[in-house]
Amino acid sequence: GDSVTQMEGPVTLSEEAFLTINCTYTATGYPSLFWYVQYPGEGLQLLLKATKADDKGSNKGFEATYRKETTSFHLEKGSVQVSDSAVYFCALNPNAGGTSYGKLTFGQGTILTVHP
Amino acid sequence: SQTIHQWPATLVQPVGSPLSLECTVEGTSNPNLYWYRQAAGRGLQLLFYSVGIGQISSEVPQNLSASRPQDRQFILSSKKLLLSDSGFYLCAWSVQLGSYGYTFGSGTRLTVV
Repeated sequence: GDSVTQMEGPVTLSEEAFLTINCTYTATGYPSLFWYVQYPGEGLQLLLKATKADDKGSNKGFEATYRKETTSFHLEKGSVQVSDSAVYFCALNPNAGGTSYGKLTFGQGTILTVHP
Repeated sequence: SQTIHQWPATLVQPVGSPLSLECTVEGTSNPNLYWYRQAAGRGLQLLFYSVGIGQISSEVPQNLSASRPQDRQFILSSKKLLLSDSGFYLCAWSVQLGSYGYTFGSGTRLTVV
């Protein structure tokens, strides 16, 4: 079945460091891929998405490129801030564009802590 | 624009008491609706989803049930809460088809004591 695997956390960085959170997936067909962010005590917010191979999603300085050859969608940011401390979830929609009802498969989440 | 409302934000309930959490969506019609639970740690567990009024699919056997009495209303219920029902409950909606993600509500923190 479809699955999403994220790198184990927690990830602890100093402010202005470079961030990479790895995400790989298993799916049939051509899924859409997403990154969500959850700040403490809040619901999840869509951070960025990519709907086809080689697409790059970007938002708030974060980027991720849909790599079909490596089945990956790694999240990157060049210079993190303390305010980026949160839990990050990678997710896929396995049947994008088809007759699916849009049920997402989520990774287990990666906790990011950024220190001043 | 579309908005999703979820309440209450926090809830403390005794074991054996009933539960009702409500979620409503505005600004769209015929959405898919979802209930997730986030227990200790950070993983998301899909509990129920609905593709239309009165249509409920359960992902995991639970002490919980869900109902969709109106197009944009989704209710999570229990007749008798267990300690293990404690957690952070999230409602979400999505469009029926297409390569879109979810929009989540702000969540309900449930503590069963």
